[in-house]
Amino acid sequence: NAGVMQNPRHLVRRRGQEARLRCSPMKGHSHVYWYRQLPEEGLKFMVYLQKENIIDESGMPKERFSAEFPKEGPSILRIQQVVRGDSAAYFCASSLAGALRTGELFFGEGSRLTVL
Amino acid sequence: KNEVEQSPQNLTAQEGEFITINCSYSVGISALHWLQQHPGGGIVSLFMLSSGKKKHGRLIATINIQEKHSSLHITASHPRDSAVYICAVVMYSGGGADGLTFGKGTHLIIQP
Repeated sequence: NAGVMQNPRHLVRRRGQEARLRCSPMKGHSHVYWYRQLPEEGLKFMVYLQKENIIDESGMPKERFSAEFPKEGPSILRIQQVVRGDSAAYFCASSLAGALRTGELFFGEGSRLTVL
Repeated sequence: KNEVEQSPQNLTAQEGEFITINCSYSVGISALHWLQQHPGGGIVSLFMLSSGKKKHGRLIATINIQEKHSSLHITASHPRDSAVYICAVVMYSGGGADGLTFGKGTHLIIQP
């Protein structure tokens, strides 16, 4: 049973380009969470999604950032017109339906974005 | 002030020592997670607590809901325990955010 799979593990983009980060949750998990870890800072919640629905995006920057979790395929975190401040590690986690308060959370290995 | 405070921020100890990492929070929570992150690596969930105490191998986690405090203990520490340990809480949100609020982590180094 594969764990949470994130790709790419490392991504380098120039300012103004787009970054797409993908997350495939654990088999059977329909809840996905994205977190950002800036250098020398703690993890910050970004967005919580279920299949085809954004449940909470209160942690997402208002501009340039979007997330989706389609019926088929992985969840995607999209950053348009990247800036140097977007350089960070982006982690995805998944859980069983409604299990965040009562169950275990499974994290991916993270995608490390570097903006030149 | 952060809603989740961890102490110490950095800890260096000798192999075999008993390690304690503390986490205090200032809000009502429904659960608390302890996570482990190795340098450049992913994050592993160690424990999820809502009350009492849990044990897994050499790791023990406790939580005191009334005092808004949790501790992570490592017995017979080993160099492979060197990592960042992160406390994260799930706040009562009444149907809002279901994400976690994280502490800044404790950097643990166990020397041989």
